[in-house]
Amino acid sequence: GENVEQHPSTLSVQEGDSAVIKCTYSDSASNYFPWYKQELGKRPQLIIDIRSNVGEKKDQRIAVTLNKTAKHFSLHITETQPEDSAVYFCAASIILRRNAGNMLTFGGGTRLMVKP
Amino acid sequence: SQTIHQWPATLVQPVGSPLSLECTVEGTSNPNLYWYRQAAGRGLQLLFYSVGIGQISSEVPQNLSASRPQDRQFILSSKKLLLSDSGFYLCAWSPYPGLQKSTEAFFGQGTRLTVV
Repeated sequence: GENVEQHPSTLSVQEGDSAVIKCTYSDSASNYFPWYKQELGKRPQLIIDIRSNVGEKKDQRIAVTLNKTAKHFSLHITETQPEDSAVYFCAASIILRRNAGNMLTFGGGTRLMVKP
Repeated sequence: SQTIHQWPATLVQPVGSPLSLECTVEGTSNPNLYWYRQAAGRGLQLLFYSVGIGQISSEVPQNLSASRPQDRQFILSSKKLLLSDSGFYLCAWSPYPGLQKSTEAFFGQGTRLTVV
């Protein structure tokens, strides 16, 4: 099955700096890569996702890049703010698979701390 | 619009007692349903997923079980809880793969289970 590794496990940055979180996956058939943000005590929520037919996607201060050959993808947050502090999870999945669970395999999470 | 309800929000149970967590989804049909567990400070571990009524796949062998008695109802159970069962349990749903529009997983608010 799929295995997703995520690094670093903790990341501390100064407000205004950039933060980068990296993930690798093992199943070359995976073609959907979402990122979730989980604030303390709350449910994970999708912040951005990318499909295998594109190499980069951007949404305001957040961007995700995908390298299918190397099987890794990254989350980039620019101009970080204290409210960006949370745990971030990457995940990998295979979509368009009939009668399957399409379950997400998550990375171990990164605790991002943005210092004001 | 679709909503997901999960209860209870918190639960304290003695070792050896039974467990029943319930999750229901509204506003969609034939969703894929999932149970995840998040140990303190760790990632999301997929426990069970279901693609239809009565269809349950287990990802991790343990003393937990899951059932799907109705299309939009997913139940996590245990006959005898262990201390190691403590954690944050999250129910999630994603659209049926045949829709081919989104494979985003939507999470319930979670149940914080403490086994004492």
